[in-house]
Amino acid sequence: DGGITQSPKYLFRKEGQNVTLSCEQNLNHDAMYWYRQDPGQGLRLIYYSQIVNDFQKGDIAEGYSVSREKKESFPLTVTSAQKNPTAFYLCASSIASGAYNEQFFGPGTRLTVL
Amino acid sequence: QKEVEQNSGPLSVPEGAIASLNCTYSDRGSQSFFWYRQYSGKSPELIMSIYSNGDKEDGRFTAQLNKASQYVSLLIRDSQPSDSATYLCAVNLSNDYKLSFGAGTTVTVRA
Repeated sequence: DGGITQSPKYLFRKEGQNVTLSCEQNLNHDAMYWYRQDPGQGLRLIYYSQIVNDFQKGDIAEGYSVSREKKESFPLTVTSAQKNPTAFYLCASSIASGAYNEQFFGPGTRLTVL
Repeated sequence: QKEVEQNSGPLSVPEGAIASLNCTYSDRGSQSFFWYRQYSGKSPELIMSIYSNGDKEDGRFTAQLNKASQYVSLLIRDSQPSDSATYLCAVNLSNDYKLSFGAGTTVTVRA
């Protein structure tokens, strides 16, 4: 089955901890994205990567970090510097970056800070 | 002004009726437009893409684009209870690889 997987589905973090969210795709897509969704709000872009070993900050990158060592994988680390990390985190991918490329989403990870 | 704005909901329609969702965007150079459906607690699912002015139909869904008015809409014909969800409008802004999302419109189809 082709698709995007995210793990874990639910994650609980204590204050001051770093946590890493996993995103894997087997669609052979070049571009991958991380979004954050807060209740009643649209999606906000955290980071995106157009190609392996390259990534760019999105609109709300502060307190987050990413890596893109493999085409299939784009993990997101939520650091202790992120002041309000409780949210629904969504990973997406598209064949390539560009104006006409449709983005497809994984199932998401719901992060709660205790 | 927000980059992408959607009509405020929630929108309640009777089963079998047409649900009409509206979206306006601020960047006149935007080239591509997408509608996503998001069920409660789930991730967004792409249901329509539109790139040219006019209408695009896919089953019970019709997307309408008017670039001159910077307006894109989604019509859901013969609404079913399974259409109850939040619908997100997304716009690819000009000269950018990013999608900008509206806050979403929640639709409830009542039996």
